[in-house]
Amino acid sequence: KQEVTQIPAALSVPEGENLVLNCSFTDSAIYNLQWFRQDPGKGLTSLLLIQSSQREQTSGRLNASLDKSSGRSTLYIAASQPGDSATYLCAVRGVLTFGGGTRLMVKP
Amino acid sequence: NAGVTQTPKFQVLKTGQSMTLQCAQDMNHNSMYWYRQDPGMGLRLIYYSASEGTTDKGEVPNGYNVSRLNKREFSLRLESAAPSQTSVYFCASRGIGVYEQYFGPGTRLTVT
Repeated sequence: KQEVTQIPAALSVPEGENLVLNCSFTDSAIYNLQWFRQDPGKGLTSLLLIQSSQREQTSGRLNASLDKSSGRSTLYIAASQPGDSATYLCAVRGVLTFGGGTRLMVKP
Repeated sequence: NAGVTQTPKFQVLKTGQSMTLQCAQDMNHNSMYWYRQDPGMGLRLIYYSASEGTTDKGEVPNGYNVSRLNKREFSLRLESAAPSQTSVYFCASRGIGVYEQYFGPGTRLTVT
């Protein structure tokens, strides 16, 4: 059974800092990996999707990498802003299996 | 396009009551999903429907039933609600050949 873990569970950083969120999974036979953002009381917004054949995807200040052999993905956020404060979730397919999320707080 | 919509947004039930959560999407997607999210945890799949007329169990199906009413709508029913079903419920959809799932805003359910 696929298990997805996200560390740390919570992170607080000063504005402007570059940061990395981690996601690990136990079964490397995945079709793709997706990173989501969830604002309090809201649904999920897709940020980046990496196909199993890809190693990274970029969108603006966000960069996600995938290393299937080690069962890891990272989400890199450059020059963090208070508006980046949210919970970030990673999920892997087959059927989507989610990690527990990292709650990010960026202080102005 | 409204995307994925869910009703109601909030609901309080007493133990043993029944209710149906509604989900609709206007993106002509084939696949639809129901997840629950508990505090401090990621989302867990309850049921999904790969296409109109088919439904399959996910990770945590006990206590729930689903109906894929048509291509647009996928409902989740709690026949006899229990406090353990207190959660936030999310519906999602995905198109053929599209890998991303699109999520609704969620229904916050409390069972007392």
